[in-house]
Amino acid sequence: GAVVSQHPSWVICKSGTSVKIECRSLDFQATTMFWYRQFPKQSLMLMATSNEGSKATYEQGVEKDKFLINHASLTLSTLTVTSAHPEDSSFYICSARGHPPWDYGYTFGSGTRLTVV
Amino acid sequence: AQKITQTQPGMFVQEKEAVTLDCTYDTSDPSYGLFWYKQPSSGEMIFLIYQGSYDQQNATEGRYSLNFQKARKSANLVISASQLGDSAMYFCAMREGVNRDDKIIFGKGTRLHILP
Repeated sequence: GAVVSQHPSWVICKSGTSVKIECRSLDFQATTMFWYRQFPKQSLMLMATSNEGSKATYEQGVEKDKFLINHASLTLSTLTVTSAHPEDSSFYICSARGHPPWDYGYTFGSGTRLTVV
Repeated sequence: AQKITQTQPGMFVQEKEAVTLDCTYDTSDPSYGLFWYKQPSSGEMIFLIYQGSYDQQNATEGRYSLNFQKARKSANLVISASQLGDSAMYFCAMREGVNRDDKIIFGKGTRLHILP
Protein backbone atom coordinates (compact mmCIF):
# COMPACT_ATOMS: atom_id res chain seq x y z
CA GLY A 1 0.00 0.00 0.00
CA ALA A 2 0.88 3.67 -0.17
CA VAL A 3 3.44 4.80 2.37
CA VAL A 4 4.42 8.29 3.47
CA SER A 5 7.57 8.73 5.49
CA GLN A 6 7.83 11.78 7.72
CA HIS A 7 11.05 12.88 9.42
CA PRO A 8 12.03 13.63 12.04
CA SER A 9 9.47 12.01 14.34
CA TRP A 10 10.41 14.41 17.07
CA VAL A 11 12.67 17.42 17.39
CA ILE A 12 13.68 19.82 20.12
CA CYS A 13 15.09 23.15 19.07
CA LYS A 14 16.06 26.43 20.62
CA SER A 15 13.90 29.49 20.27
CA GLY A 16 14.88 31.49 17.21
CA THR A 17 16.19 28.61 15.16
CA SER A 18 14.57 27.04 12.12
CA VAL A 19 13.40 23.46 11.79
CA LYS A 20 12.74 21.51 8.62
CA ILE A 21 10.29 18.62 8.48
CA GLU A 22 10.29 16.25 5.51
CA CYS A 23 7.40 14.32 4.10
CA ARG A 24 8.25 11.74 1.45
CA SER A 25 5.98 9.44 -0.52
CA LEU A 26 7.83 6.15 -0.90
CA ASP A 27 5.90 4.22 -3.52
CA PHE A 28 3.76 6.72 -5.35
CA GLN A 29 3.89 10.19 -6.80
CA ALA A 30 2.20 12.62 -4.48
CA THR A 31 0.47 15.15 -6.67
CA THR A 32 -0.80 17.03 -3.65
CA MET A 33 0.43 17.24 -0.10
CA PHE A 34 -1.29 18.71 2.91
CA TRP A 35 0.25 19.94 6.14
CA TYR A 36 -1.65 19.86 9.41
CA ARG A 37 -0.94 21.07 12.89
CA GLN A 38 -2.36 19.50 16.02
CA PHE A 39 -2.20 20.92 19.52
CA PRO A 40 -2.54 18.52 22.47
CA LYS A 41 -6.03 17.08 22.81
CA GLN A 42 -7.24 19.03 19.79
CA SER A 43 -8.12 18.33 16.21
CA LEU A 44 -5.96 18.50 13.12
CA MET A 45 -5.96 21.98 11.65
CA LEU A 46 -5.02 22.30 8.00
CA MET A 47 -2.15 24.70 7.48
CA ALA A 48 -1.56 24.54 3.74
CA THR A 49 -1.99 22.58 0.53
CA SER A 50 0.90 22.15 -1.86
CA ASN A 51 1.10 20.88 -5.41
CA GLU A 52 4.38 19.86 -7.00
CA GLY A 53 6.13 22.75 -8.68
CA SER A 54 3.75 25.47 -7.53
CA LYS A 55 3.39 27.69 -4.51
CA ALA A 56 1.55 26.37 -1.52
CA THR A 57 -1.93 27.59 -0.69
CA TYR A 58 -2.12 28.59 2.95
CA GLU A 59 -5.21 28.52 5.11
CA GLN A 60 -6.46 31.74 6.61
CA GLY A 61 -4.46 32.76 9.64
CA VAL A 62 -1.37 30.72 8.79
CA GLU A 63 1.75 32.84 8.36
CA LYS A 64 3.35 31.83 5.07
CA ASP A 65 6.65 33.49 5.97
CA LYS A 66 6.85 31.52 9.16
CA PHE A 67 5.81 28.15 7.79
CA LEU A 68 7.65 27.69 4.50
CA ILE A 69 6.41 24.84 2.37
CA ASN A 70 8.33 23.47 -0.58
CA HIS A 71 7.01 20.73 -2.84
CA ALA A 72 9.97 20.46 -5.16
CA SER A 73 9.31 16.97 -6.45
CA LEU A 74 6.47 14.52 -6.76
CA THR A 75 7.79 12.56 -3.81
CA LEU A 76 8.98 15.21 -1.38
CA SER A 77 7.43 18.12 0.46
CA THR A 78 9.09 20.02 3.27
CA LEU A 79 7.76 22.29 5.98
CA THR A 80 10.23 24.71 7.52
CA VAL A 81 9.29 26.45 10.73
CA THR A 82 11.37 29.61 10.66
CA SER A 83 12.51 31.45 13.78
CA ALA A 84 10.63 29.00 15.94
CA HIS A 85 9.16 30.09 19.24
CA PRO A 86 7.66 28.08 22.10
CA GLU A 87 4.15 28.75 20.80
CA ASP A 88 5.10 26.84 17.63
CA SER A 89 5.51 23.69 19.69
CA SER A 90 2.99 21.26 18.30
CA PHE A 91 2.45 18.01 16.41
CA TYR A 92 2.84 18.48 12.67
CA ILE A 93 1.56 15.84 10.28
CA CYS A 94 1.55 15.63 6.52
CA SER A 95 -0.83 13.88 4.18
CA ALA A 96 -0.21 12.96 0.57
CA ARG A 97 -2.62 12.29 -2.26
CA GLY A 98 -1.84 10.66 -5.57
CA HIS A 99 -2.73 7.03 -5.47
CA PRO A 100 -5.87 4.98 -5.85
CA PRO A 101 -8.51 4.84 -4.69
CA TRP A 102 -8.58 8.29 -6.21
CA ASP A 103 -11.50 9.59 -4.23
CA TYR A 104 -10.19 8.71 -0.81
CA GLY A 105 -6.53 7.90 -1.27
CA TYR A 106 -4.99 10.17 1.36
CA THR A 107 -1.99 8.75 3.20
CA PHE A 108 -0.70 10.34 6.37
CA GLY A 109 2.84 10.51 7.64
CA SER A 110 3.53 9.46 11.20
CA GLY A 111 3.87 13.05 12.41
CA THR A 112 6.57 15.22 13.93
CA ARG A 113 6.44 16.42 17.48
CA LEU A 114 8.18 19.80 17.68
CA THR A 115 9.23 21.26 20.99
CA VAL A 116 10.75 24.73 21.04
CA VAL A 117 12.63 25.63 24.22
CA ALA B 1 -19.22 27.72 11.14
CA GLN B 2 -18.07 24.22 11.83
CA LYS B 3 -18.34 21.91 8.88
CA ILE B 4 -17.81 18.74 10.88
CA THR B 5 -19.41 18.38 14.28
CA GLN B 6 -18.61 15.65 16.75
CA THR B 7 -20.67 16.21 19.86
CA GLN B 8 -19.14 13.53 22.07
CA PRO B 9 -15.79 14.67 23.52
CA GLY B 10 -15.38 11.36 25.31
CA MET B 11 -17.06 8.00 25.63
CA PHE B 12 -16.64 5.01 27.91
CA VAL B 13 -17.79 1.65 26.61
CA GLN B 14 -17.57 -1.84 28.00
CA GLU B 15 -15.44 -4.27 26.03
CA LYS B 16 -17.37 -6.36 23.48
CA GLU B 17 -20.22 -3.87 23.31
CA ALA B 18 -21.02 -1.97 20.15
CA VAL B 19 -20.35 1.75 20.08
CA THR B 20 -21.65 4.56 17.92
CA LEU B 21 -19.63 7.72 17.42
CA ASP B 22 -21.65 10.66 16.16
CA CYS B 23 -20.75 12.95 13.30
CA THR B 24 -22.76 15.56 11.46
CA TYR B 25 -21.50 17.63 8.57
CA ASP B 26 -22.41 20.70 6.62
CA THR B 27 -21.79 21.25 2.93
CA SER B 28 -23.57 22.63 -0.10
CA ASP B 29 -21.36 20.71 -2.54
CA PRO B 30 -23.22 17.72 -4.01
CA SER B 31 -19.98 15.78 -4.33
CA TYR B 32 -18.18 15.08 -1.09
CA GLY B 33 -16.61 12.30 0.89
CA LEU B 34 -16.72 11.39 4.53
CA PHE B 35 -13.94 9.69 6.44
CA TRP B 36 -13.30 8.24 9.84
CA TYR B 37 -9.78 8.07 11.24
CA LYS B 38 -8.42 6.56 14.42
CA GLN B 39 -5.55 8.25 16.21
CA PRO B 40 -3.88 6.26 18.98
CA SER B 41 -1.57 7.92 21.49
CA SER B 42 1.35 7.43 19.10
CA GLY B 43 -0.17 10.10 16.88
CA GLU B 44 -0.47 8.25 13.60
CA MET B 45 -3.66 8.66 11.63
CA ILE B 46 -5.24 5.32 10.80
CA PHE B 47 -7.84 5.32 8.04
CA LEU B 48 -10.92 3.34 9.01
CA ILE B 49 -13.69 3.88 6.51
CA TYR B 50 -14.91 6.11 3.68
CA GLN B 51 -18.34 7.04 2.35
CA GLY B 52 -18.85 8.92 -0.89
CA SER B 53 -21.84 11.22 -1.22
CA TYR B 54 -23.16 9.25 -4.17
CA ASP B 55 -22.66 5.84 -2.63
CA GLN B 56 -26.00 4.12 -2.31
CA GLN B 57 -25.01 1.71 0.40
CA ASN B 58 -23.49 2.33 3.80
CA ALA B 59 -19.77 1.60 3.88
CA THR B 60 -18.49 -1.31 5.93
CA GLU B 61 -14.94 -2.43 6.74
CA GLY B 62 -14.69 -5.36 9.09
CA ARG B 63 -15.97 -4.27 12.51
CA TYR B 64 -16.51 -0.71 11.27
CA SER B 65 -19.60 0.52 9.53
CA LEU B 66 -20.73 3.99 8.63
CA ASN B 67 -24.34 4.90 9.18
CA PHE B 68 -24.82 7.42 6.38
CA GLN B 69 -28.01 9.46 6.56
CA LYS B 70 -27.66 11.96 3.75
CA ALA B 71 -30.83 13.95 4.38
CA ARG B 72 -29.83 14.47 7.99
CA LYS B 73 -26.18 15.09 7.02
CA SER B 74 -25.11 12.47 9.47
CA ALA B 75 -22.24 9.97 9.19
CA ASN B 76 -21.98 8.03 12.42
CA LEU B 77 -19.32 5.39 12.91
CA VAL B 78 -20.40 2.10 14.41
CA ILE B 79 -17.81 -0.22 15.91
CA SER B 80 -19.13 -3.66 16.63
CA ALA B 81 -17.75 -5.90 19.38
CA SER B 82 -15.37 -3.31 20.77
CA GLN B 83 -11.90 -4.32 21.85
CA LEU B 84 -9.41 -2.83 24.30
CA GLY B 85 -7.26 -1.83 21.35
CA ASP B 86 -10.05 0.40 20.09
CA SER B 87 -9.27 2.92 22.81
CA ALA B 88 -8.10 5.99 20.91
CA MET B 89 -9.15 9.32 19.50
CA TYR B 90 -11.57 9.11 16.57
CA PHE B 91 -11.96 11.83 14.00
CA CYS B 92 -14.69 12.34 11.46
CA ALA B 93 -13.53 14.22 8.39
CA MET B 94 -14.89 15.50 5.09
CA ARG B 95 -13.61 16.21 1.61
CA GLU B 96 -15.62 18.61 -0.54
CA GLY B 97 -15.43 18.36 -4.31
CA VAL B 98 -13.62 16.02 -6.64
CA ASN B 99 -10.42 17.89 -7.51
CA ARG B 100 -6.94 16.57 -6.80
CA ASP B 101 -6.16 19.27 -4.25
CA ASP B 102 -9.37 18.85 -2.31
CA LYS B 103 -8.46 19.00 1.33
CA ILE B 104 -9.81 16.99 4.21
CA ILE B 105 -11.10 18.91 7.21
CA PHE B 106 -11.55 17.30 10.57
CA GLY B 107 -14.01 17.40 13.42
CA LYS B 108 -12.87 17.94 16.98
CA GLY B 109 -12.77 14.24 17.69
CA THR B 110 -14.14 11.79 20.22
CA ARG B 111 -11.92 10.04 22.72
CA LEU B 112 -13.09 6.48 23.13
CA HIS B 113 -12.20 4.47 26.20
CA ILE B 114 -12.89 0.74 26.17
CA LEU B 115 -13.29 -0.71 29.64
CA PRO B 116 -12.25 -4.30 30.43
